[in-house]
Amino acid sequence: GENVEQHPSTLSVQEGDSAVIKCTYSDSASNYFPWYKQELGKRPQLIIDIRSNVGEKKDQRIAVTLNKTAKHFSLHITETQPEDSAVYFCAHKDPYNFNKFYFGSGTKLNVKP
Amino acid sequence: KAGVTQTPRYLIKTRGQQVTLSCSPISGHRSVSWYQQTPGQGLQFLFEYFSETQRNKGNFPGRFSGRQFSNSRSEMNVSTLELGDSALYLCASSWTSGSNNEQFFGPGTRLTVL
Repeated sequence: GENVEQHPSTLSVQEGDSAVIKCTYSDSASNYFPWYKQELGKRPQLIIDIRSNVGEKKDQRIAVTLNKTAKHFSLHITETQPEDSAVYFCAHKDPYNFNKFYFGSGTKLNVKP
Repeated sequence: KAGVTQTPRYLIKTRGQQVTLSCSPISGHRSVSWYQQTPGQGLQFLFEYFSETQRNKGNFPGRFSGRQFSNSRSEMNVSTLELGDSALYLCASSWTSGSNNEQFFGPGTRLTVL
């Protein structure tokens, strides 16, 4: 259950456009999926998370969707702004161990003004 | 409430040496996890401590070890350093374990092995 595939590795969008980052996991028992934003030289910070009992969660311009059947989840950022530029990581919690998380390899988002 | 702190922030070592990194969690947090971050690899889970016990371990060699003290502060040690150990080492703390609680990351220790 460790594999987390994250795509794309880099994403460049124009300010105001939407950005979508997708992740795929392998263990159908996984039930918690956080997303982290890491600005250059700073620590990762949780921006949104979703549990397996819901299919979508929104927080202002950010939304996450979860498709348990296909075992993939996505981060959607609408009306992107230059301050959204950062590296985004998806993760999922190991369903069999406390506080053990597996992370994707990251997506570098560049929002051009 | 003060955030997660890590010391030192930067470290330069040579191959074969050993190194100890320190992490102080947010007050009240009892779970501390360690991650290795390298370019293009994301965050790789090293281990997690709760109440001074290692409860989870990632797929790293035995050169990587850690411990947790009664005040929840944690240290990780890397012995016989290799060039490939150069990375940003992040620790994260959370309130409890056994539930899907948010992890709060420290600023990291940038280790360079020459």
